[in-house]
Order: sequence, then C-alpha cells, then structure tokens
Amino acid sequence: SQTIHQWPATLVQPVGSPLSLECTVEGTSNPNLYWYRQAAGRGLQLLFYSVGIGQISSEVPQNLSASRPQDRQFILSSKKLLLSDSGFYLCAWRIHKNTEAFFGQGTRLTVV
Amino acid sequence: QKEVEQNSGPLSVPEGAIASLNCTYSDRVSQSFFWYRQYSGKSPELIMSIYSNGDKEDGRFTAQLNKASQYVSLLIRDSQPSDSATYLCAVTSYGNNRLAFGKGNQVVVIP
Repeated sequence: SQTIHQWPATLVQPVGSPLSLECTVEGTSNPNLYWYRQAAGRGLQLLFYSVGIGQISSEVPQNLSASRPQDRQFILSSKKLLLSDSGFYLCAWRIHKNTEAFFGQGTRLTVV
Repeated sequence: QKEVEQNSGPLSVPEGAIASLNCTYSDRVSQSFFWYRQYSGKSPELIMSIYSNGDKEDGRFTAQLNKASQYVSLLIRDSQPSDSATYLCAVTSYGNNRLAFGKGNQVVVIP
C-alpha cells in the first residue's frame, strides 16, 4: 500500500531563517506531488506541483521554492522566512491527474 | 470568478438531519471532482470522488455532479456529531495536473 510521510509535524522558526520541509511517498512510482498551504481558518492554497523529477510548476510567486530531486521526494524551501509564511503546510500525492489525492499529516509552521 | 467556490457560511444541522453542501467551479472542461473532510488541526481525508454527471452514493454520503451548470454538491444523510468538520471541494481541470480547492464549509452537527 502507498503511504506518504511529511515532517516535521510542527516547526517554530524566526523571521529571516531558512526553511526545508520534506515529503516522501512510498509504494508507488512517478506520482504527481503537491504542496499546499492553509492559513488559519482558510482554504488550501496550491503552492507547487510536480509531475516528475525536476519538473516543478509554481502557482504563487513568493519567497518559497520547491524541488523534486528523486521520484518520490518533494521538498519545500525558503531562504528567508517571513511572518506571512506561517501556516499549515500539506504535501499530497496522486497517481494520475484525474485520481484522488492523499495528504500527509501536515507541518504547522509558525514564524516568529 | 474563483476557480472553485464554496460560498455558504457555517452550517448547523441537528443530529439525524441532512446536511447539504454546494460547490461551483469556473473551468467548464474540468474533469474530476472530489470532496474531502478536514477535522480541526488535521489533514484532509477523501470522502468521495465523482467524474460523470449524476449521483454517486457511498454510505451516508451522496455526491451530485452537474457539468452543464458547473456545480457539484455533497449530501450527508443521518448526520452524526462525528460529521462535524470542514468539507472541502476539489476540482481538476482538463489538460493539466492542478488540483484546486475551495475554501471549505464548516458543518456542525448538534446532538
């Protein structure tokens, strides 16, 4: 069966510090991978998605970036965090563009 | 117009009643449609997927899709307190891999 791992679960970072969130999927090959952010009381904002190694589509121009160095690994990064980067970050995968997506446990990021 | 729109405010329903949630989408050629449930502080979990016009039932949940009118709805029958959560509508457009979500609707089931 397929599983998705996302860590850490919670993170408190100072303004201006770097960020690296990692997501890995097991039990499947060539998944579509997604990063979302959910601000408090808000919906899911699509940040990045990837259909293959090295292929990244960016939805929102900001100080975040994403990389996919391996087939089942998706990384969200920032060089300098802003207060507005606080939120609940969710990684998701699906096997095909028309199938359902499955989410990791999420990372709650607080920038102080 | 937002890509995926869920306009209703919080919905309070008595236990045992039917909760009805609606979602509209802007891309006429959207192909796949999903409903997710999200408990406070948790990640979303899939409830239903629907791909063709009409109704799809799974237990107490029924999804309805009308592509001509560009809306998808979710009915929760015999609502239980455990159904209290935020329900998110998600849509995939034709020709790309984007999966866009609405802002969600909070449902509160009153015992």
